[in-house]
Amino acid sequence: DAGVIQSPRHEVTEMGQEVTLRCKPISGHDYLFWYRQTMMRGLELLIYFNNNVPIDDSGMPEDRFSAKMPNASFSTLKIQPSEPRDSAVYFCASRGTGNIQYFGAGTRLSVL
Amino acid sequence: AQSVTQPDIHITVSEGASLELRCNYSYGATPYLFWYVQSPGQGLQLLLKYFSGDTLVQGIKGFEAEFKRSQSSFNLRKPSVHWSDAAEYFCAVGRSSNTGKLIFGQGTTLQVKP
Repeated sequence: DAGVIQSPRHEVTEMGQEVTLRCKPISGHDYLFWYRQTMMRGLELLIYFNNNVPIDDSGMPEDRFSAKMPNASFSTLKIQPSEPRDSAVYFCASRGTGNIQYFGAGTRLSVL
Repeated sequence: AQSVTQPDIHITVSEGASLELRCNYSYGATPYLFWYVQSPGQGLQLLLKYFSGDTLVQGIKGFEAEFKRSQSSFNLRKPSVHWSDAAEYFCAVGRSSNTGKLIFGQGTTLQVKP
């Protein structure tokens, strides 16, 4: 298996623009997680899905952030409008029956 | 409150020396425990996990960890560090029910001196 695939790997945008991050989980995994990593706050869970349904979005920082999982093989995290403080590395992870989360390589977002 | 504490933000060891990274957790239920490693520019890779049974668990790359319930600790060890072990290490705790959610520590950055 190719593992969890995230795109793009790097994104540079200007404040106010919409940003969409993409994730393809490992086939057969029924949980999908979105994390944000910053120097100040470390690794934070933003939202997670089970069988494509959002279960806990309490970590989503504000209404500018939204996440969807239209099917078992694709999820998006959208920021609209983006702000400089959103600059971070965003990770997607998926989990199957083994209780182990597998992480993608991340998207490094820079908002200027 | 549920939390994971990694007391050492940064550790430097010489190549060939032994290593111990500390992890303490606060968790109300029976925990699942994990150690992940993150190399620069990469995602997190699982080193090892503890779910139940033998409290000393072996992982990849020669790492091991010991679960001590009385101390709420899950320290990571390696007898002889290699330069390629330089990375950031994260301890995480999850619930033994099927919620899937993990709580991560702040991470420990390991530097290896030649």
